Amino acid sequence: GAGVSQSPRYKVAKRGQDVALRCDPISGHVSLFWYQQALGQGPEFLTYFQNEAQLDKSGLPSDRFFAERPEGSVSTLKIQRTQQEDSAVYLCASSSLRADEQYFGPGTRLTVT
Amino acid sequence: GNSVTQMEGPVTLSEEAFLTINCTYTATGYPSLFWYVQYPGEGLQLLLKATKADDKGSNKGFEATYRKETTSFHLEKGSVQVSDSAVYFCALSPLIGTASKLTFGTGTRLQVTL
Repeated sequence: GAGVSQSPRYKVAKRGQDVALRCDPISGHVSLFWYQQALGQGPEFLTYFQNEAQLDKSGLPSDRFFAERPEGSVSTLKIQRTQQEDSAVYLCASSSLRADEQYFGPGTRLTVT
Repeated sequence: GNSVTQMEGPVTLSEEAFLTINCTYTATGYPSLFWYVQYPGEGLQLLLKATKADDKGSNKGFEATYRKETTSFHLEKGSVQVSDSAVYFCALSPLIGTASKLTFGTGTRLQVTL
């Protein structure tokens, strides 16, 4: 079946603008994760959903970052008042509840100018 | 907390050379260990995994053995190809058999030349 998809693939925002990044997980996957990957670094955990419940948001770097998954499928990561340090690739991954393997989308590259 | 340390890259090898990329970890309990690969312009793909001590994960000629005594999960391949050029990430999950956040290393870029 289809893999994890993310949109947009590239986003350029002026400093101070709000952005919304979308993730469509693999159909039937209960668990959904967001990661942030800075240039030349490994992905870092942001937040985790099990169905519509956000069970862990310990990795969100500030209260400007907000994520939701209202119907337990598609998820949106929103960043308010973007700053230059928010420039990164934002990765979404999904998995079955009883599996430790995660399947990643292609990512959204956010550039804040 | 959990952490993963990988050898710094880039690693440059000639085709058919032997590859080792070192990975060590710090974790409480018994984590699952993974290698992910990121080809140019593509997303992260799971390469292999191991879930308990002395397990060997293997895929596409790559292997890694879960060594609890040395807290290591080194990636090896006997003969690399140009098409193996990519960035390789070692990662751990603190829970076995259930979804949980991954902790990644910083990645090792492999460049294979003819």
